[in-house]
Amino acid sequence: DTEVTQTPKHLVMGMTNKKSLKCEQHMGHRAMYWYKQKAKKPPELMFVYSYEKLSINESVPSRFSPECPNSSLLNLHLHALQPEDSALYLCASSQDQPQPQHFGDGTRLSIL
Amino acid sequence: QKEVEQNSGPLSVPEGAIASLNCTYSDRGSQSFFWYRQYSGKSPELIMFIYSNGDKEDGRFTAQLNKASQYVSLLIRDSQPSDSATYLCAVKDTSGGYQKVTFGTGTKLQVIP
Repeated sequence: DTEVTQTPKHLVMGMTNKKSLKCEQHMGHRAMYWYKQKAKKPPELMFVYSYEKLSINESVPSRFSPECPNSSLLNLHLHALQPEDSALYLCASSQDQPQPQHFGDGTRLSIL
Repeated sequence: QKEVEQNSGPLSVPEGAIASLNCTYSDRGSQSFFWYRQYSGKSPELIMFIYSNGDKEDGRFTAQLNKASQYVSLLIRDSQPSDSATYLCAVKDTSGGYQKVTFGTGTKLQVIP
């Protein structure tokens, strides 16, 4: 069990659908992250929120839209995704730099 | 482009042996280094972190850092089949105010019973 909780665990959606991935942590961490991971590749950073403000956007396409409603929650809104967006989406949190990041179990996303 | 290099493996060791996993990095200013274990189909799990030159031990795991040579390693003593996984080295970016880490591509470890 991890202290970073992600829902749903699996998601299948069509290219015209809108869906959201959710992430929650109750460790009091002030930095939260979204990563994308393809098979046999390392995690690839997408977004970083620090103290509920977006601090890093790694040139992610606008079909991915992050949101941080409060210090414990992080959402990733998905719209008009492409088949190549199928991947494991990981949420992580850390107390602050340079503290290590703790990952959730991930959401496995499949785009039809 | 900051780089973190790992041998992709697989590294095969017999049960009970010491597994040695290595990682080199290009950003000489890096100060924070992390090792994650990732089982197939699962998320990365933090194993060790190290900030200072030298060794840091935690149970069967020892992280070693040599900033002058820009490498960090992970030793696993008394390797068990359950240690079979991909081990990711991660190095914190030195850009001011960022929380970004760069991950290596990982080394696949196979512990043979």
